[in-house]
Amino acid sequence: GQNIDQPTEMTATEGAIVQINCTYQTSGFNGLFWYQQHAGEAPTFLSYNVLDGLEEKGRFSSFLSRSKGYSYLLLKELQMKDSASYLCAVRDSGHVDSNYQLIWGAGTKLIIKP
Amino acid sequence: GAVVSQHPSWVICKSGTSVKIECRSLDFQATTMFWYRQFPKQSLMLMATSNEGSKATYEQGVEKDKFLINHASLTLSTLTVTSAHPEDSSFYICSARAGIGGFNEKLFFGSGTQLSVL
Repeated sequence: GQNIDQPTEMTATEGAIVQINCTYQTSGFNGLFWYQQHAGEAPTFLSYNVLDGLEEKGRFSSFLSRSKGYSYLLLKELQMKDSASYLCAVRDSGHVDSNYQLIWGAGTKLIIKP
Repeated sequence: GAVVSQHPSWVICKSGTSVKIECRSLDFQATTMFWYRQFPKQSLMLMATSNEGSKATYEQGVEKDKFLINHASLTLSTLTVTSAHPEDSSFYICSARAGIGGFNEKLFFGSGTQLSVL
């Protein structure tokens, strides 16, 4: 079956670094996305990986290993506003629908403490 | 960046009534729109995919007669929850995709609609 796993909740300290892991098992793979979602709001796009390696964008970086079915989102210099849920989503090219639907993880709730 | 407007932001209705949620792409043409539902502390669940001018494709377990989707134009899709019941209370989110799907395609999300059915 298709599955995406990520930790339910993590806690980190303001100013520190945190790594949120995501592992996936899908019938196909055509890209992995990370989204940030604050409570009661829609997700906002953070990053996209389709090739192995690290993509850096300011304080946020995302890593992908396709052979391991693994990705992580790295957040540096944590700020209180980073408290949110972080969703990992995989675009499954093996889906019968050509719209390349996303398969979503349940999200990791990140709590930032002063 | 691309903007997707979703209205209303929240709605409270009595059981048995119908509720319409609108999703508009403001500065681009959305050939495909997706409708999601999210229960508290759970992941986004895709309900249906709609392409402009054609019938929506519903995910397994989603009643198409209960959740009516209309994508009549390239900038507007609507989701109507017919005869809503308390178990339909949820956070509904739309997202839109421009073009026919690029390599680094992003989904642009509406702000979501919190539906509470009494």
